Amino acid sequence: KNQVEQSPQSLIILEGKNCTLQCNYTVSPFSNLRWYKQDTGRGPVSLTIMTFSENTKSNGRYTATLDADTKQSSLHITASQLSDSASYICVVSDRGSTLGRLYFGRGTQLTVWP
Amino acid sequence: EADIYQTPRYLVIGTGKKITLECSQTMGHDKMYWYQQDPGMELHLIHYSYGVNSTEKGDLSSESTVSRIRTEHFPLTLESARPSHTSQYLCASSEGRDSPSTLHFGNGTRLTVT
Repeated sequence: KNQVEQSPQSLIILEGKNCTLQCNYTVSPFSNLRWYKQDTGRGPVSLTIMTFSENTKSNGRYTATLDADTKQSSLHITASQLSDSASYICVVSDRGSTLGRLYFGRGTQLTVWP
Repeated sequence: EADIYQTPRYLVIGTGKKITLECSQTMGHDKMYWYQQDPGMELHLIHYSYGVNSTEKGDLSSESTVSRIRTEHFPLTLESARPSHTSQYLCASSEGRDSPSTLHFGNGTRLTVT
C-alpha cells in the first residue's frame, strides 16, 4: 500500500534553533517528492521538489534531502524564525499513471517560540 | 503567492441547505482540484478537472458535485449539507502537460454544518 509517514507529529523549538522533519514513503514507482508549508488558515505553499536523481535541494533556510534507496526524505530548517511556525506536509507522486497520483502525509506541526 | 481565490473563507449553515463553494484562478491552468482537509489528517482528493467540461471524482467518496464551464472557475456544490460535511475545503490548480506538477492552493473555505 502506498503511504507517506511524517515524523514527528508536532515539534516545538526556540527561535534561532535548527530542526529536521522526516518523511518516509512506500510509494512506488516513485516520481518526485515535494515539501509544502501550510500556515494556519492558509493553503499549502510549495517549498521544494525532489526528483529521483536529486539528493539535496535548498530554498533559503530550508534544505531538503532525499534518499531514494531507503525511501526517506528530510526537511532541515536552519536558524528558525517565528514565521516558520506552520504545518509542513510531505507529498509523494508516483509514475503509475499518465497523470501521476499524489500521496499526502499528515504533516508535522512546527511551533517556534521566541 | 499563486493567484487562486476561494470564497467564502468561512461558512456556517444549517443541515439540509444547498451551498456552493467558489474557486477561481487567474493563471490559465488547465488542471484544478478540490481537497478536503481535517485537522491532523492528510489531504483527500474529492474532485478534479483536466480542462473545460472535464470533471472526475477523486479518492474520497463525496456527495458534492463540481462543474468546469470556464477554465478559470471550478465551483463545488453540496445539494444538502450535513454535519459530516464539516471540514476545510481547499481548491488547487496546476499547469503543464507533464504530471504531476506543483499544486497552487487557495486559502480554503472552512465549512461548519450545524
